[in-house]
Amino acid sequence: QAGLTQPPSVSKALRQTATLTCTGNSNNVGNQGAAWLQQHQGHPPKLLSYRNNNRPSGISERLSASRSGNTASLTITGLQPEDEADYYCSAWDSSLSAWVFGGGTKLTVL
Amino acid sequence: EVQLLESGGGLVQPGGSLRLSCAASGFTFSTYGMTWVRQAPGKGLEWVSLINGDAGSTYYADSVKGRFTVSRDNSKNTLYLQMNSLRAEDTAVYYCANGADFQHWGQGTLVAVSS
Repeated sequence: QAGLTQPPSVSKALRQTATLTCTGNSNNVGNQGAAWLQQHQGHPPKLLSYRNNNRPSGISERLSASRSGNTASLTITGLQPEDEADYYCSAWDSSLSAWVFGGGTKLTVL
Repeated sequence: EVQLLESGGGLVQPGGSLRLSCAASGFTFSTYGMTWVRQAPGKGLEWVSLINGDAGSTYYADSVKGRFTVSRDNSKNTLYLQMNSLRAEDTAVYYCANGADFQHWGQGTLVAVSS
């Protein structure tokens, strides 16, 4: 099952803004959007944003998700050291009847 | 508080079998779809399987189809993954997650397939 496309790495300075992208097709991201997950080394993933771009309770307002066509984006403003982590997008693919994940983006906060 | 606790991982020889369990609490288990996701050492996340709340529908990744079987016991609030014909490439941490968008995750259980 083909996955979603994410840049392998993004580096931004402290307090700057990072925008992570996730590209799929009309059967997955373009259909129902993408969920975003954060994973710190040695820990399980954590949901940051639902496919409808809403944040779960307790997730910082510095994070916002959006979608344009077949590309989903996660924007993190005012970067903090704790934002340094791996970020994954995921979407339900209606043609495959399967979830697909992106390869993940490693965000480095300089 | 939602809690998901995986168990059943371990070292198994190629061709062997394991059954993973995921004990759930803190939410109405029977109303939630449940998912298995795995992560090979140093790699990204890979979706494995999904089962809906009443176990009427199940879905599998192509990489495990025909070898893995997902099930659930709503009376015990427990999710299962029966893994047969295991291969070296099945070596990974296996996580269970609840909800339509992987709302909560367990800590994972390590499955190592090696001779």
